[in-house]
Amino acid sequence: QVQLQQWGAGLLKTSETLSLTCAVYGGSFSGYYWSWIRQPPGKGLEWIGEINHSGSTNYNPSLKSRVTISVDTSKNQFSLKLSSVTAADTAVYYCARQVRPTAAGTGAYFDIWGQGTMVTVSS
Amino acid sequence: QSALTQPASVSGSPGQSITISCTGTSSDVGSYNLVSWYQQHPGKAPKLMIYEGVKRPSGVSNRFSGSKSGNTASLTISGLQAEDEADYYCCSYAGSSTSWVFGGGTKLTVL
Repeated sequence: QVQLQQWGAGLLKTSETLSLTCAVYGGSFSGYYWSWIRQPPGKGLEWIGEINHSGSTNYNPSLKSRVTISVDTSKNQFSLKLSSVTAADTAVYYCARQVRPTAAGTGAYFDIWGQGTMVTVSS
Repeated sequence: QSALTQPASVSGSPGQSITISCTGTSSDVGSYNLVSWYQQHPGKAPKLMIYEGVKRPSGVSNRFSGSKSGNTASLTISGLQAEDEADYYCCSYAGSSTSWVFGGGTKLTVL
């Protein structure tokens, strides 16, 4: 059974860099894309970006200038860095396995999620 | 990249059916039969309930069903149970440049 385990610093100051890592246990790493999604307190979900085992990335255009997602295939891990954080970046951050959309019109969903990490940005 | 539009809240009594709508545009919901729905209980990670618009993952009750018409997708829950009380989010693929867009979420209250 595939599980995602995530970790990282939970308290940051304005202008610092958020750094989180997600480890994949129990399944294939190369057959999927891997995403980061966040949820501000009391609000909805926002997709941040994605990466595959080859290091190919896509980012949310609204965050692209501050986001870097990387992969370490030797450890089945992927990581998120978000620079120059502000209070608006305070949120629960989730990692998730993504089934990629296919040309046949299938896929395109997040089927396994990490437990979430609350990140608070204070001044 | 605008969020998909969902009602803020819906409610129903045990045993009843409810439907949650999710309205997008011709660039996301309308272009792809690739809407997914997630259930989220307080303090928990989202759980996939519907994918590819109408399919249920293994282990999800057949009381949950999905549909789509034009730019609007819908999630229907029949035979409401107390455990269904949660927040529900829709999500659509929006093409390679934008990739993914979520709805704002709907709080389901079981009366």
